[in-house]
Amino acid sequence: NAGVTQTPKFQVLKTGQSMTLQCAQDMNHEYMSWYRQDPGMGLRLIHYSVGAGITDQGEVPNGYNVSRSTTEDFPLRLLSAAPSQTSVYFCASSYRAPERNEKLFFGSGTQLSVL
Amino acid sequence: GNSVTQMEGPVTLSEEAFLTINCTYTATGYPSLFWYVQYPGEGLQLLLKATKADDKGSNKGFEATYRKETTSFHLEKGSVQVSDSAVYFCALSDRGDYKLSFGAGTTVTVRA
Repeated sequence: NAGVTQTPKFQVLKTGQSMTLQCAQDMNHEYMSWYRQDPGMGLRLIHYSVGAGITDQGEVPNGYNVSRSTTEDFPLRLLSAAPSQTSVYFCASSYRAPERNEKLFFGSGTQLSVL
Repeated sequence: GNSVTQMEGPVTLSEEAFLTINCTYTATGYPSLFWYVQYPGEGLQLLLKATKADDKGSNKGFEATYRKETTSFHLEKGSVQVSDSAVYFCALSDRGDYKLSFGAGTTVTVRA
């Protein structure tokens, strides 16, 4: 069982470049989400999805886009990278939304540096 | 809004020492509380949870009790091992939430 798979593990971008962080899960989870982890700030939600075709903004959505065309995949797009987007990004999924006390399954993370 | 405050550390301990990480929360409703652990180079994984007041979550020798009167969910372990070295996150979810609210994380290092 692969669980939640994130690619790439590391990425360096120049300011203004765009890229897509990939996330896939093979557990048939309805809920998927993207968090960023910054020192001293814990994890902050960027975007989330409660099912295919449904996405919504989290706490820090500016500069990021998402789509959910299938249950399995939830890519995160950086439209025009900025140094403030240097962070570690985690994709997480669960059977249902967190309000149902569901356990979140996390990917292993993407370390992104924007120069 | 909902929020979680936890001691940031870092915390350095010797093997077999007692570990406590404090966590307090603010919530408008009746949240569920979680501890997640992040081992070096890995994503977070659920360590334990409690869904109502006075519940005790436990796993791998760790325990935490949901205290509504003090709005706390402190993590404890009686005898830590080197393999417990990790970052520990306290988190909560509430009815109507579509996210977990995480604390800042506490880095724990256990020396042999």
